Amino acid sequence: EIVMTQSPATLSVSPGERATLSCRASQSVSSSLAWYQQKPGQGPRLLIYGASTRATGIPARFSGSGSGTEFTLTISSLQSEDFAFYYCQQYNNWPPYTFGQGTKLEIK
Amino acid sequence: EVQLVESGGVVVQPGGSLRLSCAASGFTFGDYAMHWVRQAPGKGLEWVSLITWGGGSTYYADSVKGRFTISRDNSKNSLYLQMNSLRPEDTALYYCAKDRPNAYDYWGQGTLVTVSS
Repeated sequence: EIVMTQSPATLSVSPGERATLSCRASQSVSSSLAWYQQKPGQGPRLLIYGASTRATGIPARFSGSGSGTEFTLTISSLQSEDFAFYYCQQYNNWPPYTFGQGTKLEIK
Repeated sequence: EVQLVESGGVVVQPGGSLRLSCAASGFTFGDYAMHWVRQAPGKGLEWVSLITWGGGSTYYADSVKGRFTISRDNSKNSLYLQMNSLRPEDTALYYCAKDRPNAYDYWGQGTLVTVSS
């Protein structure tokens, strides 16, 4: 089973600033990596798939990069609605599909 | 507009059984694989099960294998999860999710299953 590790667990950033979230895989997942955003009381929303492709309707301030074992989600200029939990997920080697433990992005 | 609406979550005793449903609309349901993903209270996301578009292949997390069964009825645009021999650690919000493929491009709001005596 591939273990996904996200860092940091909590990230405090001011509105308008840049946020950088990291995700590491225990073995290569090529570019088979997705990022999701989850707000309290809601189901997750797909942001990025294929490590760097934005899903339909996702603003350009969200970008993904990386391949192999190291991945990054960058939010270029934080808006109030961006403060949420973020999860990475690999789909290269399944079953099982595996998620990271999440990063909480909070207002500084 | 794509919609996924889960139902069937209740409080059940350890060892009990439950069937969850997911009603899909806004897309050609029979063209896509579907997943169940769960989230224990205050915890992260855990993949539970996958069923291919026609229902011919199914996959399970080790934690539920032999106890849970995923199925679908494409004529009713519905996905199901039969849960048997429930344990307290199965307590979670259960989401159905549409396969993009592989990444999950649409999720429901979830249905809460509580396993407690």
